[in-house]
Amino acid sequence: AQSVTQPDIHITVSEGASLELRCNYSYGATPYLFWYVQSPGQGLQLLLKYFSGDTLVQGIKGFEAEFKRSQSSFNLRKPSVHWSDAAEYFCAVNQGGKLIFGQGTELSVKP
Amino acid sequence: NAGVTQTPKFQVLKTGQSMTLQCAQDMNHEYMSWYRQDPGMGLRLIHYSVGAGITDQGEVPNGYNVSRSTTEDFPLRLLSAAPSQTSVYFCASSYSGGKGPHTEAFFGQGTRLTVV
Repeated sequence: AQSVTQPDIHITVSEGASLELRCNYSYGATPYLFWYVQSPGQGLQLLLKYFSGDTLVQGIKGFEAEFKRSQSSFNLRKPSVHWSDAAEYFCAVNQGGKLIFGQGTELSVKP
Repeated sequence: NAGVTQTPKFQVLKTGQSMTLQCAQDMNHEYMSWYRQDPGMGLRLIHYSVGAGITDQGEVPNGYNVSRSTTEDFPLRLLSAAPSQTSVYFCASSYSGGKGPHTEAFFGQGTRLTVV
């Protein structure tokens, strides 16, 4: 069965520091991968997506992610974190119109 | 530019009561789905629909019913609410246009349901 794993439940980084959130997937075919962000009490907003082509994809708010087939990973990165980035982040794989989500990583930002 | 609209935003039910969570989208998307979000578990698929008149079960369908009579609407019915159904519910829609991979899903703002 397809699955998505986010190994880190909670990460704390200092404002201005770099960030990497990990995502590993289990999927037989070419995966269609997404990162979503959820601010407290809000719905989910798409940060970026990977369908095919260039394995480094750029998203909104300065985020990027790299697809590595050999490692079954799709890690999210940001070079310099802002306090407003504090939120919960979800990695997901599209399975025939259905999204399979990871457990989420909660990001806290220290001033 | 409404997107995906869910009502109500908040609801408190007593055990055994029934209710319907409404979801509507105005983007003519063929795919619609319902998820529940619980702490530490991410979002789990309850039911989904690939078009009007077609629905199927997801990962956690028990206790919920759905129907899809129109492209726009995809209501979720709780038949007899239980405390285990206390959760945040999200409706989502997406499309493929018949050309291959599905685009990203667009989410509603969620319904926070408490069953006492």
